[in-house]
Amino acid sequence: QKEVEQNSGPLSVPEGAIASLNCTYSDRGSQSFFWYRQYSGKSPELIMFIYSNGDKEDGRFTAQLNKASQYVSLLIRDSQPSDSATYLCAEDSGYSTLTFGKGTMLLVSP
Amino acid sequence: GAGVSQSPSNKVTEKGKDVELRCDPISGHTALYWYRQSLGQGLEFLIYFQGNSAPDKSGLPSDRFSAERTGGSVSTLTIQRTQQEDSAVYLCATPRSGSHSGANVLTFGAGSRLTVL
Repeated sequence: QKEVEQNSGPLSVPEGAIASLNCTYSDRGSQSFFWYRQYSGKSPELIMFIYSNGDKEDGRFTAQLNKASQYVSLLIRDSQPSDSATYLCAEDSGYSTLTFGKGTMLLVSP
Repeated sequence: GAGVSQSPSNKVTEKGKDVELRCDPISGHTALYWYRQSLGQGLEFLIYFQGNSAPDKSGLPSDRFSAERTGGSVSTLTIQRTQQEDSAVYLCATPRSGSHSGANVLTFGAGSRLTVL
């Protein structure tokens, strides 16, 4: 049974701070990892995906992958109130579907 | 179409009734997924279609749930004899690339919110 674990939060950070969201996964065969953002009442939208160990940066977002520790993280620099949402981590182990965590709620206060 | 369309957007039904939820995927996309999201929960995989066949339906929670896809396009998720625990948002998704290959980036529809009274 593949599992993806996330702290449900909420994670509260002030505007301008760095938000750090973490995720662990159980399947060592997992190949790709995804971060989705979901605003309340909306469907998930992709922020980033990563499949190589190390860091991947896209604007204010950095995804970090450590396959040895089975750990994925998402850093959001210069957090804005508009970043307030639930962030879903997902893994693709090469089977037919993605396995999602339950998500971490992020609250960015002005 | 340009995106994944789902209908109805909201459905309120009485316990014991049957419901049908529809997904109209991005034109030409052969792979299609159904997920369910209960209140405060993550996305729960239900079923995966490749064309009209369903190679993975391991996530369907009971035999009250079924899904079909016709013409490699529109998919219908049917829930028979609905129960209150079926209340959730049902999301349809297709891979950004169209077929299941490479990094499995999913594009989601807006979802169908089902409330069973």
